[in-house]
Amino acid sequence: NAGVMQNPRHLVRRRGQEARLRCSPMKGHSHVYWYRQLPEEGLKFMVYLQKENIIDESGMPKERFSAEFPKEGPSILRIQQVVRGDSAAYFCASSPQGYTEAFFGQGTRLTVV
Amino acid sequence: DQQVKQNSPSLSVQEGRISILNCDYTNSMFDYFLWYKKYPAEGPTFLISISSIKDKNEDGRFTVFLNKSAKHLSLHIVPSQPGDSAVYFCAAPGGGSAGGTSYGKLTFGQGTILTVHP
Repeated sequence: NAGVMQNPRHLVRRRGQEARLRCSPMKGHSHVYWYRQLPEEGLKFMVYLQKENIIDESGMPKERFSAEFPKEGPSILRIQQVVRGDSAAYFCASSPQGYTEAFFGQGTRLTVV
Repeated sequence: DQQVKQNSPSLSVQEGRISILNCDYTNSMFDYFLWYKKYPAEGPTFLISISSIKDKNEDGRFTVFLNKSAKHLSLHIVPSQPGDSAVYFCAAPGGGSAGGTSYGKLTFGQGTILTVHP
């Protein structure tokens, strides 16, 4: 059973470009969570999704960030018009239900130049 | 507002000795706690958890203690091994501006870097 798959592992974008980060949850998992880890900090919750629904986006910046988890395909975290402060490691986690421990992917390291 | 705090950025221990990692929390609504271990360039891996109805949970070399009155928990690793060298995060479901108790929506501490010397 493959783990949570994130791609790309590393992504370099110039300021003003768009970044798309993909997350394929573990088989049988319908709950997906996105986190951001800034340098020297812990992980910060961004958004919680189930298939085709955003359950909780209380940690998402109000502008430029969006997330989706379509009926088919991976979950996507999209960052428009990236700025240097968006440089961070972005982790996705999945769980089969809301009240079970989540499993994390290896992360995508975004660098904005 | 840092609801989960790990005040020690780093800890260095000799192989075979005990490692004790500490975590404090401020949100009295937290009723379940988890410890994650993270190697560089990898995602966090679940290690052990504890419910607030317990004060201790043990799994092999890892034991977590919870002191609810002090809002404090600790992770003990005995004996410590060089392969245990990693960043350790404590976390609690919920927190944040919207609350919620999904176990995937976690409030993390800042992490403690554990180094176990051979």
